[in-house]
Amino acid sequence: DAKTTQPTSMDCAEGRAANLPCNHSTISGNEYVYWYRQIHSQGPQYIIHGLKNNETNEMASLIITEDRKSSTLILPHATLRDTAVYYCIPGYNQGGKLIFGQGTELSVKP
Amino acid sequence: GAVVSQHPSRVICKSGTSVKIECRSLDFQATTMFWYRQFPKQSLMLMATSNEGSKATYEQGVEKDKFLINHASLTLSTLTVTSAHPEDSSFYICSARGPDYGYTFGSGTRLTVV
Repeated sequence: DAKTTQPTSMDCAEGRAANLPCNHSTISGNEYVYWYRQIHSQGPQYIIHGLKNNETNEMASLIITEDRKSSTLILPHATLRDTAVYYCIPGYNQGGKLIFGQGTELSVKP
Repeated sequence: GAVVSQHPSRVICKSGTSVKIECRSLDFQATTMFWYRQFPKQSLMLMATSNEGSKATYEQGVEKDKFLINHASLTLSTLTVTSAHPEDSSFYICSARGPDYGYTFGSGTRLTVV
């Protein structure tokens, strides 16, 4: 299973963009990068996933480097409700298990 | 979107008793579901992979006789914590692969063993 490295914690001002980095240098060629977040005492919530190309949806944007060894999740206009632990997880789109790392605890401050 | 329902959300049980947690995929069929455990201020730890119609696959260090998993239908997996002890108190979360993308997670079950 590919290992990930994420900052333990980050702060972001409300209304500003939150950029959350993730290193996944051992990711295999057909593994996607999934991003989930977990608000306290809730189940993880899917945010976005991608393979090679950058992706955008209504929640966030995902920027994957050309060598696929790292990625950045961008929350364009962070709100207080975005305060959560964010997990970057390599995984196979055709199935298989998701192994969670320690994630980044994002605190959005007024 | 894909929804996974987990029940109960909270349960308190006496030491030595068994507790069953249900995980249902509401609007899709899930041949595979996953069970995680999370202790305070820690990440999710995968316990086992639940396969419809066959035996579950347990991660290393997880006691299969203590954590019984049954996946009898394409929409329901259950986790039974047998002979629960205080150290089994934790947050248990299930997930299932959705029809379109990613994995959908249940809202979790807070188990307290007294």
